[in-house]
Amino acid sequence: AQSVSQHNHHVILSEAASLELGCNYSYGGTVNLFWYVQYPGQHLQLLLKYFSGDPLVKGIKGFEAEFIKSKFSFNLRKPSVQWSDTAEYFCAVNSGGGADGLTFGKGTHLIIQP
Amino acid sequence: GAVVSQHPSRVICKSGTSVKIECRSLDFQATTMFWYRQFPKQSLMLMATSNEGSKATYEQGVEKDKFLINHASLTLSTLTVTSAHPEDSSFYICSELPRGTDTQYFGPGTRLTVL
Repeated sequence: AQSVSQHNHHVILSEAASLELGCNYSYGGTVNLFWYVQYPGQHLQLLLKYFSGDPLVKGIKGFEAEFIKSKFSFNLRKPSVQWSDTAEYFCAVNSGGGADGLTFGKGTHLIIQP
Repeated sequence: GAVVSQHPSRVICKSGTSVKIECRSLDFQATTMFWYRQFPKQSLMLMATSNEGSKATYEQGVEKDKFLINHASLTLSTLTVTSAHPEDSSFYICSELPRGTDTQYFGPGTRLTVL
């Protein structure tokens, strides 16, 4: 079975600070990796995804994530956060060709202070 | 991105009644639809997967007779919570996988409160 661990449950940063949210997964086979964001009062939106190829993935709104297979990690980064990045961030995995349901981490609540 | 709607957004019902939640894809055809459940301050947990015209596949621990899923068409899936109990109170979220893609699009969720 797959599992996802997000280490930071709450993160508070000031604007322009750099961000890194940790995500580790547990699964013996090939996985697909995702980061979703949920802004207050809105539905989940895809930030970025990794299936194969370049382990450094760039997503929307200046976010990127790096897949490190040896560490079973897929950490999310942004060099300079904005107040509008305040949201809940979820790391998720599935296997196969991407048509399976997702296993989510517990989420990280990010608050950006102006 | 693709748009998925859910109806209703909130529902309050009495214990023992049944509640139906609809999930619609508004601008694409969904090969596969998923239903998730989210408890307060916890993650989304996959409940079941349904493919159009086929019976849903339920995750371990999810009662198929309690959570009835109907994937009637490529744009509509319904989740019916039968004989609801207070412990069924939760946030239910659907997602849809457009045909030929590998990315799920999520609905806004339905808050169910069972009194």
